[in-house]
Amino acid sequence: DGGITQSPKYLFRKEGQNVTLSCEQNLNHDAMYWYRQDPGQGLRLIYYSQIVNDFQKGDIAEGYSVSREKKESFPLTVTSAQKNPTAFYLCASSIKWGANEKLFFGSGTQLSVL
Amino acid sequence: AQSVTQLGSHVSVSEGALVLLRCNYSSSVPPYLFWYVQYPNQGLQLLLKYTSAATLVKGINGFEAEFKKSETSFHLTKPSAHMSDAAEYFCAVSDTGRRALTFGSGTRLQVQP
Repeated sequence: DGGITQSPKYLFRKEGQNVTLSCEQNLNHDAMYWYRQDPGQGLRLIYYSQIVNDFQKGDIAEGYSVSREKKESFPLTVTSAQKNPTAFYLCASSIKWGANEKLFFGSGTQLSVL
Repeated sequence: AQSVTQLGSHVSVSEGALVLLRCNYSSSVPPYLFWYVQYPNQGLQLLLKYTSAATLVKGINGFEAEFKKSETSFHLTKPSAHMSDAAEYFCAVSDTGRRALTFGSGTRLQVQP
């Protein structure tokens, strides 16, 4: 079955530690996205990638980094510079970059600070 | 700039009653509008989207939404609520300027037996 796989489902970060969230898709989609979800705030865009080897900052990119070396993979690193990392992180993809595109979501990673 | 306002963070209805979830948007160019649903601890799934072909849009699971330009609204409705409709619902907007989706803050729907 085609879809988006996020791992791990739960992740804990210690002070000063960088952690990486995995996102893999086998849908052959060009565009991929990372959103952060906080209670009562909806989803906010962290980074997006229109195509492999390209990525752009979203609305809340500070303290995060990404790479897009392969079409199917878009890992997100939460760095120690992100002072409030506790949130539910959602990865998504779409066939191509565009305003009208349907997003397909993974099942998310819950990140908490120890 | 585009934005979305969802009125009511929590809505409770009885099983069989009408569901109405409100969404108002702002966009400087003609928008594309979406409703997504999220079940607990899961990602989001697309319910329906408006792309200017028709103002009344039908989606999955009996949901529909009507685009009203004069009111800048895109409210989601379902004539008869089912227990399985209990979830969080997000309205989202994009346009040819920004392209990436901007989501509302979500409305949690509770269905009482």
